[in-house]
Amino acid sequence: DAGITQSPRYKITETGRQVTLMCHQTWSHSYMFWYRQDLGHGLRLIYYSAAADITDKGEVPDGYVVSRSKTENFPLTLESATRSQTSVYFCASSESGQNQPQHFGDGTRLSIL
Amino acid sequence: GDSVTQMEGPVTLSEEAFLTINCTYTATGYPSLFWYVQYPGEGLQLLLKATKADDKGSNKGFEATYRKETTSFHLEKGSVQVSDSAVYFCAAGGSARQLTFGSGTQLTVLP
Repeated sequence: DAGITQSPRYKITETGRQVTLMCHQTWSHSYMFWYRQDLGHGLRLIYYSAAADITDKGEVPDGYVVSRSKTENFPLTLESATRSQTSVYFCASSESGQNQPQHFGDGTRLSIL
Repeated sequence: GDSVTQMEGPVTLSEEAFLTINCTYTATGYPSLFWYVQYPGEGLQLLLKATKADDKGSNKGFEATYRKETTSFHLEKGSVQVSDSAVYFCAAGGSARQLTFGSGTQLTVLP
């Protein structure tokens, strides 16, 4: 089925470990986004991508790395996880950005011990 | 930069009550405006949108009108149901091809 899927849905890891969250969309949307959702902060943009091989920082990029070698995939990597990165992470995509709605995945709940 | 302010929750209503969730924005130019809904354990789903002044977005009995003069996009529903219990997010599409989200409003509807 067409859509946007995130994996894993749940992840527990330890401080200092590297962890990668996966995002895959089947619409061939140009834009993809990574957000984190925390109580009291709503959604905050981590990184976004306008096309394959084009990425840019959002509001809270520190500690995260992204890549976009293929249009349909946009993985997010925490190179050395910290407890402050415990959060729910959402991936989204849109056709062109500004005036288009974004379509969200179901999220990855990440706990860092 | 762009910002979206929405009414703080939580909001608790009885079934069939009238709902208003306030949302105001600050943005360069004329952004598109959106309301999203998030049910427990799920991602955000687009509820409705409006792309220019005086446009009214509507879906599933919810409505919101783009008011440029007051920079507002308040969400309304005439008669809420228990199934409307969720978190609602207002968002504005700004100049940087990103969406700026409000902090979300938790709605609980009691039978």
